[in-house]
Parts: sequence; structure tokens; C-alpha cells
Amino acid sequence: DTAVSQTPKYLVTQMGNDKSIKCEQNLGHDTMYWYKQDSKKFLKIMFSYNNKELIINETVPNRFSPKSPDKAHLNLHINSLELGDSAVYFCASSQDGTGNSPLHFGNGTRLTVT
Amino acid sequence: GNSVTQMEGPVTLSEEAFLTINCTYTATGYPSLFWYVQYPGEGLQLLLKATKADDKGSNKGFEATYRKETTSFHLEKGSVQVSDSAVYFCALKDSSASKIIFGSGTRLSIRP
Repeated sequence: DTAVSQTPKYLVTQMGNDKSIKCEQNLGHDTMYWYKQDSKKFLKIMFSYNNKELIINETVPNRFSPKSPDKAHLNLHINSLELGDSAVYFCASSQDGTGNSPLHFGNGTRLTVT
Repeated sequence: GNSVTQMEGPVTLSEEAFLTINCTYTATGYPSLFWYVQYPGEGLQLLLKATKADDKGSNKGFEATYRKETTSFHLEKGSVQVSDSAVYFCALKDSSASKIIFGSGTRLSIRP
């Protein structure tokens, strides 16, 4: 019954590795997002996809590459991980991409880079 | 640019105390305003929203009024409970943009 689910919940890896985080929503929403939350709880949008198409791409290193195989899935692949990538990454979805419909968040993936 | 500023935490209160978490914003046009809540170990969830000036959003005993003259959207609750302990985020959506911008979050802890 989970609306927005992301895996894994925890991810510990070493610098230089490549890792992926998966996200799926079963709400039938058209728009999905990735947010990064740093250690001070500050939340910043990274990407937004509407019906598999990229609509928001904030100033994010190109080591981060989102992929949306269908509108229910938005995965995040990170190459050459760095210490500064350590954070909690949240996937979210909304009915549409206008920003007027509420965001539904997953429970987050805590990434630790050592 | 658009931004949201909210009071720094942590805020610690006793059960049944009155709560105010301040939030002010900078935006062009007429933004929509939101409060989201993040319980420990979970993602954010929408608590309440207001889409135009003088609107009051309310949910679970929480209220916030959209004040255009002071560009504020302060969150209030008359009597807090231990279960209200969480991080609260003020957010806005500019009328000309599609993304939601979040404040830095305020951690609230309620003592029994």
C-alpha cells in the first residue's frame, strides 16, 4: 500500500563508487522528483520529471543522472561518489507538475560516503 | 529570487503549550504557501496550505494564515502534544514557476 517507495533505505559506500537509488509510486501521479536533504535538514530539489520527461534540472553535478523508464518510476544514479554526496535523498511525486498539487514523499534513502 | 525563511530551532515546549513557528517569504506575484511536517524516519507530508491572501489553512489543530501585508505564514497550534514532535517546513510555490521551495525546517520537541 506504500504510495511512494524508495530503495534502499540505507546506503553506505566508498568514495569513487557508483550507486543507484530506485523510486516507485503507485498513486498514478504524472510528476516525480528527487530532493536532497543535508545534515542540517535543508531540503533542495534536484530533478523533476513529468510523464517521463525532464522538466526541472537544478544545478546538480552531472555525476547525478536520473532515469525515468515510465511515469511510475524515477531512479537516481550517482557516479564517482564524493564525501559531500552524503545526505538523505527523498523521492516524491505529485498529481501534476504545476506545483499546485501536494507532494507525496518517500521515506528517504540515507547515503553515507566514506 | 524566491525564498522562505523560518525560525531556527530547535523549539522545545511542554505538552499543552501554545506553539508558534514563524515563516516569512520573498516571492514575485501571488505564491501558494504550505506547511509540511516530517516525523522521525519518514518523508515529508503536507500539513496545510493556503493559496491566496487572507486564506487560513488548518489541519490536525494546526493553523496558518496567509498574510500578504507582512509576507508571513506563521504556524500555530493552541495545545501541542508529544506526538507533534517533528520537523516542520514552510514552503512556497511561485505563481510563475512549477517548483516548490522549502525553508530550512524547524525541529519541534514536546516534553510530556
